[in-house]
Amino acid sequence: DVKVTQSSRYLVKRTGEKVFLECVQDMDHENMFWYRQDPGLGLRLIYFSYDVKMKEKGDIPEGYSVSREKKERFSLILESASTNQTSMYLCASSFSSGRFLSYNEQFFGPGTRLTVL
Amino acid sequence: KQEVTQIPAALSVPEGENLVLNCSFTDSAIYNLQWFRQDPGKGLTSLLLIQSSQREQTSGRLNASLDKSSGRSTLYIAASQPGDSATYLCAVRPTTSYDKVIFGPGTSLSVIP
Repeated sequence: DVKVTQSSRYLVKRTGEKVFLECVQDMDHENMFWYRQDPGLGLRLIYFSYDVKMKEKGDIPEGYSVSREKKERFSLILESASTNQTSMYLCASSFSSGRFLSYNEQFFGPGTRLTVL
Repeated sequence: KQEVTQIPAALSVPEGENLVLNCSFTDSAIYNLQWFRQDPGKGLTSLLLIQSSQREQTSGRLNASLDKSSGRSTLYIAASQPGDSATYLCAVRPTTSYDKVIFGPGTSLSVIP
């Protein structure tokens, strides 16, 4: 069974704090993703990583950065948290289409509900 | 630009009823389509993945179909149960996106005992 874990289910931070969200997958997936989910806006891609140290901006990267030093771990960093970053953050992983052209099913972690006060 | 829609946004049915959820996409150039379930406050659980060359996939009481040429997929749930209550999302992987997918907004399903 694929397992994607996220470091916290709930997190409360103050405006201006630096926040780290960690995601770990155990299926040797090349791809890892960070999304945020807000009511009425659906799932939006923040960043995508297709290999160690490789990253690509998604639709809403402003205010975020990422780090992927090891294949199994993908971190999302809020450099200076703001109240508009209060959201549900979801991590996902999948095989690369370079390995399995069509079979790159995405698997999600349980999510981190972040509140910025 | 690929867009994915799901209608209706919300659906309420009595227990035991068979039901169909719809997913539409604007560009037929996709590698696959995936259906997910999301319980309130939780992550997404993958239900079914249909390759572009396939017409349908089945898992237990779930059957997903894909008509790529018309840009439609349906998720059929047989003999619905209260435990099926959740939000159902579909996502397509465009051939131009290199492994990124585009999600629909979801259909919120409520199965009434």
